[in-house]
Amino acid sequence: GDSVTQMEGPVTLSEEAFLTINCTYTATGYPSLFWYVQYPGEGLQLLLKATKADDKGSNKGFEATYRKETTSFHLEKGSVQVSDSAVYFCALLHPMDSNYQLIWGAGTKLIIKP
Amino acid sequence: NAGVTQTPKFQVLKTGQSMTLQCAQDMNHEYMSWYRQDPGMGLRLIHYSVGAGITDQGEVPNGYNVSRSTTEDFPLRLLSAAPSQTSVYFCASSVGVPDTQYFGPGTRLTVL
Repeated sequence: GDSVTQMEGPVTLSEEAFLTINCTYTATGYPSLFWYVQYPGEGLQLLLKATKADDKGSNKGFEATYRKETTSFHLEKGSVQVSDSAVYFCALLHPMDSNYQLIWGAGTKLIIKP
Repeated sequence: NAGVTQTPKFQVLKTGQSMTLQCAQDMNHEYMSWYRQDPGMGLRLIHYSVGAGITDQGEVPNGYNVSRSTTEDFPLRLLSAAPSQTSVYFCASSVGVPDTQYFGPGTRLTVL
């Protein structure tokens, strides 16, 4: 079945460092791919998404490119801030999935030190 | 526009007790869902609804009931609480299929 694998955390970086959080997926066809972020004590919120191969999603300085050839959707940011400390979730959805179920990764905790 | 609201924020139950977690949204979204979040396991779908009067099971439905009598409300009922149901519960909604979901702030439930 479909699955999403994220790099294990926590990931600890210093402020202004470059960030990469890896996400790979297993799915047939062409799913839509998402990154959600959960700040401490809050619910999840959509960070960015991509719906077809080679699409790049971007928001708040974060980017991710839908790579069909490597089945990946890695999250990147050029210069992280303390306020980026959160848990990041990668997810996929098949538009034709009649069960309407998002498939979630386990989440990666990011800690940014000043 | 309050978005998705959940009550209560925290709850402690004894084994065997029942309770209802409330969820409401004011965005006229058709799709609503309930997830549980456990450490290291991401989110797991409990139940979902694609519109008023229509509900279906997700990945982990056992021990939970839902109903959807209005577009706005989607309560989750625990029939007989067990320690394995200790978790953080999130309600979410979206316009149609769960493309862009809007999450509530969560309910932290502890079952003793």
